[in-house]
Amino acid sequence: DIEMTQSPSSLSASVGDRVTITCRASQSISNYLNWYQQKPGKVPKFLISAASTLQSGVPSRFSGSGSGTDFTLIISSLQPEDFATYYCQQSYSNPITFGGGTKVEIK
Amino acid sequence: EVQLLESGGGLVQPGGSLRLSCAGSGFVSSSYAMSWVRQAPGKGLEWVSGISANGGATYYADSVKGRFTISRDNSKSTLFLQMNSLRAEDTAVYYCVKGQRSTMVRGASFDDWGQGTLVTVSS
Repeated sequence: DIEMTQSPSSLSASVGDRVTITCRASQSISNYLNWYQQKPGKVPKFLISAASTLQSGVPSRFSGSGSGTDFTLIISSLQPEDFATYYCQQSYSNPITFGGGTKVEIK
Repeated sequence: EVQLLESGGGLVQPGGSLRLSCAGSGFVSSSYAMSWVRQAPGKGLEWVSGISANGGATYYADSVKGRFTISRDNSKSTLFLQMNSLRAEDTAVYYCVKGQRSTMVRGASFDDWGQGTLVTVSS
């Protein structure tokens, strides 16, 4: 099975900060990497597919990059509504696996 | 608008069984793969099982293989998860999720999620 490791597991940031979340796969997954956002008590929301393709309606301050084993989610200017937990997910092979999550908290 | 409505969760004793259902609307069921994803209290997301659009291919996480069975009835736009030999570690909210594609092979992503149904395994 492909293991997905996210770092950091949590971070504190202020509104307006640039935030970087990293996701590493235990083997190469090409660009088969998706990102989700989950706010407390809410259902996960699909943000980015294929490492860098923003889903419809997702603000342009979100961006994704990477290929192979190393991937990055960047929030260019953190907004109050962005405080949430972010998960990466590999879709290269079954079983599908998620990273452990990165909780973005208010500083 | 896509809607996914799960049902069938509840309290069950270890070793017991439950059958989850997910009624979908707002999309053509036979065109999309579907999955179940669970989240234990205070924990992260764990993909449990997936099924191709026509039901011909099924996939399972190692943690549930041999105990859970996924199926679908496209004529009723309904997804199922039969859960047997339940364990305490199966306690979680189970989400029904719609895939963006018809297959689970390469590129499976989840663009719509139900509100979830809570399964509690305890004596």
